[in-house]
Amino acid sequence: GNSVTQMEGPVTLSEEAFLTINCTYTATGYPSLFWYVQYPGEGLQLLLKATKADDKGSNKGFEATYRKETTSFHLEKGSVQVSDSAVYFCALSDGSSASKIIFGSGTRLSIRP
Amino acid sequence: ETGVTQTPRHLVMGMTNKKSLKCEQHLGHNAMYWYKQSAKKPLELMFVYSLEERVENNSVPSRFSPECPNSSHLFLHLHTLQPEDSALYLCASSQDLRGIGEQYFGPGTRLTVT
Repeated sequence: GNSVTQMEGPVTLSEEAFLTINCTYTATGYPSLFWYVQYPGEGLQLLLKATKADDKGSNKGFEATYRKETTSFHLEKGSVQVSDSAVYFCALSDGSSASKIIFGSGTRLSIRP
Repeated sequence: ETGVTQTPRHLVMGMTNKKSLKCEQHLGHNAMYWYKQSAKKPLELMFVYSLEERVENNSVPSRFSPECPNSSHLFLHLHTLQPEDSALYLCASSQDLRGIGEQYFGPGTRLTVT
């Protein structure tokens, strides 16, 4: 079946550092890929998405490229801020239903001032 | 503002209590969901409703009973819970169930079962 694997946290970085959170997936067909973010005390919010191979999703300085050859969708940001501290979830949808989103276990990111 | 609200935000209940969680979406969506979020585990989809009809029930124990009286409101009725049911319960909605529609989440109810 379909699955998502993301790097375990927590990840702790200093402000202005470069961020990478790894995500790989297993799926049949051509899934869509997402990154969701959960800030403290809040629900999940869609951060970015990509619906086909080689697409790059971007938002708020974050970006991720859909790599079919490596089945990956790594999240990157060039210069993180304290306000980026949150839990990040990689997710996959096979497109059969909006309910069929498979989430990774989440990576907690903490940014030091 | 996410457009999806949940009450209460925090709930402590004993194993013999009965309580209900409430979710309301102000987005005009037709599909609503309940998820369970436990520490260090992936989100678990519990129930899916579309146009007030339950379309998925993912092997959830009967001590959790959902109710969807209309497309804007979703409840989760709780009774005789176990300590392992302590978790963050998230409600979400989407426009409908077609394709890869984005889900919008509420802030969750932090449930502690004592």
